[in-house]
Amino acid sequence: GAGVSQTPSNKVTEKGKYVELRCDPISGHTALYWYRQSLGQGPEFLIYFQGTGAADDSGLPNDRFFAVRPEGSVSTLKIQRTERGDSAVYLCASSSSGTTNIQYFGAGTRLSVL
Amino acid sequence: AQTVTQSQPEMSVQEAETVTLSCTYDTSESDYYLFWYKQPPSRQMILVIRQEAYKQQNATENRFSVNFQKAAKSFSLKISDSQLGDAAMYFCAYGGATNKLIFGTGTLLAVQP
Repeated sequence: GAGVSQTPSNKVTEKGKYVELRCDPISGHTALYWYRQSLGQGPEFLIYFQGTGAADDSGLPNDRFFAVRPEGSVSTLKIQRTERGDSAVYLCASSSSGTTNIQYFGAGTRLSVL
Repeated sequence: AQTVTQSQPEMSVQEAETVTLSCTYDTSESDYYLFWYKQPPSRQMILVIRQEAYKQQNATENRFSVNFQKAAKSFSLKISDSQLGDAAMYFCAYGGATNKLIFGTGTLLAVQP
């Protein structure tokens, strides 16, 4: 597509529920990133995919968070047993490859855990 | 570990005037990139300008330019002829060998008509 697409735009869920957030990167981009942006803060890195594999998942806060990219394109961020502290904007970015190339961001998913 | 610091939570500028947003960073890497991203209320991060650390020449993009001082680890953004559409949150970011971006806490820029 023309840009990075994230769905849903907003997600409201109850504490303890499971959620999935989807990211559709720019066509042809091999690198995909997930970031989390809490209110009043800059985005914080969660995980980086190169192709289908997670090259760096050091930013995932705990084992309730998991992400996949099975065909090297669309990625899904999965959060189990959501907590109120998970409320944030989840941003996805893609780039043609690695650090030297610009990361293009989607508009994010605002997750609210009640 | 690398860090990025933006010490100005908010800035204000009159339309058509010039404003400078500050950013400092810390790293032990010699090869890296620095970025300024703009985030309007729509939430989408938009790249404003990119600087490669090995280039001494400061990057410019139309009304946007940077003052990159590598030894001082300083990377400020200058916006000339400010326009109402420039109002947004601006984030400084570092990209090094680990591929991820490290962001500062942002500066909220208001443009007064």
